[in-house]
Amino acid sequence: QQQVKQSPQSLIVQKGGIPIINCAYENTAFDYFPWYQQFPGKGPALLIAIRPDVSEKKEGRFTISFNKSAKQFSLHIMDSQPGDSATYFCAARLDDKIIFGKGTRLHILP
Amino acid sequence: DAGVTQSPTHLIKTRGQHVTLRCSPISGHKSVSWYQQVLGQGPQFIFQYYEKEERGRGNFPDRFSARQFPNYSSELNVNALLLGDSALYLCASSWGANTGELFFGEGSRLTVL
Repeated sequence: QQQVKQSPQSLIVQKGGIPIINCAYENTAFDYFPWYQQFPGKGPALLIAIRPDVSEKKEGRFTISFNKSAKQFSLHIMDSQPGDSATYFCAARLDDKIIFGKGTRLHILP
Repeated sequence: DAGVTQSPTHLIKTRGQHVTLRCSPISGHKSVSWYQQVLGQGPQFIFQYYEKEERGRGNFPDRFSARQFPNYSSELNVNALLLGDSALYLCASSWGANTGELFFGEGSRLTVL
């Protein structure tokens, strides 16, 4: 009930391609859905976030699509670059805590 | 402005020992959260403190404890260390208790032998 399921575990995309990372949840009490990006040796950093009453949010090359009825949301990265290679975590907020998915290791080929 | 700072960055302990990890939040932030990140997994919530009071606790044994000081810095203590406690311990700060936007430090890498 408190899980956020993330897929795929790893993803390799050519430069300029559009990697898509998917997440699903069960608990309808989640009220905020952030995505975090983590580079090796660093802590996660907030990338973009969405509330469940919004179906899509864009910030630069990053877009979240949110399907409330299906309890699914996804991250799209437009015109991906080698510098986007990192681990991406979807997450959800429940009360005062943020619950993270297991992460997707993304590699963008030059 | 300084980000979230954690110390020590790396440490090695043996089973049964005790460890204290420290965190200084971003100036102006009143909430500190602690997460455990095992290699290859997402961060798992341990504690949240806001205005020096515990606001949330994750599914961790009582060997894990924390506190927040008047200057909003925080300590995470782990007693009777087990091999399975080996992980990256992340501290995150935010201005409020329920903002959803966490600012993470680079973590303390704990190895238990």
